[in-house]
Formats: sequence, structure tokens, C-alpha cells
Amino acid sequence: QQQVKQSPQSLIVQKGGISIINCAYENTAFDYFPWYQQFPGKGPALLIAIRPDVSEKKEGRFTISFNKSAKQFSLHIMDSQPGDSATYFCAASKRTNYGGSQGNLIFGKGTKLSVKP
Amino acid sequence: NAGVTQTPKFQVLKTGQSMTLQCAQDMNHEYMSWYRQDPGMGLRLIHYSVGAGITDQGEVPNGYNVSRSTTEDFPLRLLSAAPSQTSVYFCASRGFFNTEAFFGQGTRLTVV
Repeated sequence: QQQVKQSPQSLIVQKGGISIINCAYENTAFDYFPWYQQFPGKGPALLIAIRPDVSEKKEGRFTISFNKSAKQFSLHIMDSQPGDSATYFCAASKRTNYGGSQGNLIFGKGTKLSVKP
Repeated sequence: NAGVTQTPKFQVLKTGQSMTLQCAQDMNHEYMSWYRQDPGMGLRLIHYSVGAGITDQGEVPNGYNVSRSTTEDFPLRLLSAAPSQTSVYFCASRGFFNTEAFFGQGTRLTVV
């Protein structure tokens, strides 16, 4: 059972356009929703994250929109640039409580974003 | 700070061979984990540890062993390599009271 479903699998956007990647989750116990960015040959790195007590979080050109009732969250990249070309992963985890399985990140399958100049 | 360091970066094994993937972190993080990344499959959790002497299985633990004798190190052992273990392996660490996980650069393993 895939706990975090991510779409689309790949995305091509023109420079200056808006990139939108969507994720849906099953488990209502999840309470932390990060997005990771991965460049070829590198490990994933945290891009932005949100808790379910807010509906939106913005950091520069990157925005997470969160819909708790629909169990969905999305990443919006405004004014997309060629340097944003990477693979993006959404993830979810339960509340961290002195470790244990609750702290594990469950990842979506990833979206390969290509921004054309 | 070096963060999370994985060695080796690349490895080719023959079926049946064993090897250890090394992972070390210098951030005094309690929580460490191993993921494998396969095309179209995302990152899947193999094993994790919440502190020295404590380990547990993740989603895909078969064929792998781990141990955690120190806070800094969390090696992943392949007991008898199989072609199905061809993958890119990532080690990650996180502090108990932090949410951000830090990943290493990965080890690309090919089993022939």
C-alpha cells in the first residue's frame, strides 16, 4: 500500500512558468510534510516543509499548499528556472516522539522536473 | 562539519559477495536510516536506528543487516549480494527534536 502518492512522474515547464507537483497521503496520523530536492548524483536535500496546522507556507519562489480535509499537499515553484531542474520528492511522517518508527519519512515516488530555457 | 559521509561512492559486486556500506555523521544525531533509491520507486526505508545499540527494520530489510555501536556510525551490510540489490543507497540522519533529515551523497551499487 503506497502511503504517499505523487504526481506527475515527470514535468516539463518553460522558464518563468509555474511548476506544480501534487501529493496525496492516506494516514491521518501524518503530521509533517516535507519536500526534498535532488540533483543528479547528489543526495536529497530539504527544500521546504509544512505542518497540518497551516494551509500554506512560502519560502521565496517555493510554496506548499496543504489541504487537510482532502489529505493532499502540493509544491508550487513560481518563476521556474533551469537551475530548478531536479527530482522532487514529497514525504510524510508521524509526529516525532522520542524516535521509533514514528520518525521515519515515507516518500513519494518522485517527480523529475525539467525547466526549458 | 562534513554532515553525512558515505563510502564508497561506487561499487560493483559479483552475485554472492558480501560487503559493507559505510555511513558516518558528525552532527551528533540520534536517528540514522538507510534508504534505497530505484527508478520510479522513490526512496524506500531499509533499516533505521534511534540510537547506539538500537536498530529496527524498515520497508525492505531482507538481505541487509545493520548495527549501531556508536552514535556516529551506521554501516549497512549486504550478506550475499543479489542483482535485485543493484540500487543507489542513501544514508540519512536527524536529531530527535529536529525534523530535517540530512542525506549523504549516496553509494551506487551494481551487482552482476
